[in-house]
Amino acid sequence: EIVMTQSPATLSVSPGERVTLSCRSSQSVSSDLAWYQQKPGQAPRLLIHGASTRATAIPARFSGSGSGTEFTLSISSLQSEDFAVYYCQQYNNWPRTTFGQGTKLEIK
Amino acid sequence: EMQLVESGGDVVRPGGSLRLSCAASGFAFGDYAMTWVRQVPGKGLEWVSGINWIGGSSYYADSVEGRFTISRDSAKNSLYLQMSSLRAEDTALYHCARGPHARSPYWYFDLWGRGTLVTVSS
Repeated sequence: EIVMTQSPATLSVSPGERVTLSCRSSQSVSSDLAWYQQKPGQAPRLLIHGASTRATAIPARFSGSGSGTEFTLSISSLQSEDFAVYYCQQYNNWPRTTFGQGTKLEIK
Repeated sequence: EMQLVESGGDVVRPGGSLRLSCAASGFAFGDYAMTWVRQVPGKGLEWVSGINWIGGSSYYADSVEGRFTISRDSAKNSLYLQMSSLRAEDTALYHCARGPHARSPYWYFDLWGRGTLVTVSS
């Protein structure tokens, strides 16, 4: 099984700041990496697929990068609605797809 | 509006069975693979099962293989998960999610439902 490790577990930031979240895979997943956002009581929402392609209607302040085993999700200027939990998912090893444990973005 | 709405969650005893449903609307359901992902409240996401767009291939996590069966009815725009021999560790919120279009090999999930809660307890 490919283990996805996200860091940090929790990140406290202020609105307007730029933030970078990390996701690391235990073996190469090429660019088969997605990022999701989940707010309390809501369904997860796809942000990024293919490591760097924004999903439909996702604001340009969200960007993804990386390949192989190291990936990042950046948010250029945090808005109040961006405070949520973020998950990465590798789908290179389908059907053995796996998610990271999540990074919680909280207001400082 | 594209939407997925799950139903069928309940409290069930260990060893019992349950059938979850997911109603799709607003898109061509028959053109997409579908999947189930579960989430223990307050915890992370765990992929459970997937089925391809024509229903000819199904996939399962090791933790549910042999106990859960995924199926779909494209005439009813519906996805199902038949769960049997349920265990306490199956307790979770079960989300259905849309997978790749037709023959695309990229199994990320671009539309999710809010989930239905399954509690396995005596």
